Amino acid sequence: EVQLAESGGGLVQPGGSLRLSCAASGFKFNGYEMNWVRQSPGKGLEWVAYVSGFGSDIKYADSVKGRFTISRDNGKNSLYLQMNTLRVDDTAVYYCARGGLRLDYWGRGTLVTVSS
Amino acid sequence: DIQMTQSPSSVSASVGDTVTITCRASQDINSWLAWFQQKPGKAPKFLIYAASSLQSGVPSRFSGSGSGTDFTLTISSLQPEDSATYYCQQAKTFPITFGQGTRLEIK
Repeated sequence: EVQLAESGGGLVQPGGSLRLSCAASGFKFNGYEMNWVRQSPGKGLEWVAYVSGFGSDIKYADSVKGRFTISRDNGKNSLYLQMNTLRVDDTAVYYCARGGLRLDYWGRGTLVTVSS
Repeated sequence: DIQMTQSPSSVSASVGDTVTITCRASQDINSWLAWFQQKPGKAPKFLIYAASSLQSGVPSRFSGSGSGTDFTLTISSLQPEDSATYYCQQAKTFPITFGQGTRLEIK
């Protein structure tokens, strides 16, 4: 069974940093591209970042480019999102999702709240 | 970026009814469209890909159609558990973009 479990969310002040993790199981992790997608409270879905199976290809939404870094450790079956210079409008539930452009499995999400 | 526009933003229907949700892309995306269902407090669930292919395990009362810029999600024989918000997503290119969502209420 495919499982994705995010962790690392919490309350952080504007300008602060946070690192999210996504633990994957039930599939051959290095065979799959991965994404982070976020959802602000009461709002729709916003794609954040993408990484290819071996990490050689990375893409970001303009809203996070230069502040967020996506990475993966295939030996640990884990996906990461390093978030720096956080802003109030980064407040959201962050989901990891399996796939490139076809997002077939999602984790349950981790809440990031940016507030003073 | 490809803009995705859904309509209506919300719809109310009764058990047994048929509901249609539309999604329009700002440019031709061939059949590179997916549909998701999201219930409150839960992650989105992948329903349909390539505009009309049902993901394994999704009930056959869900169907999708369309190509180019105009797409539809049809839910027939509505069930109480279909109450959710539905999102379309273009899967043609990055950045991935989603519609704003359609909230389906079961009366």
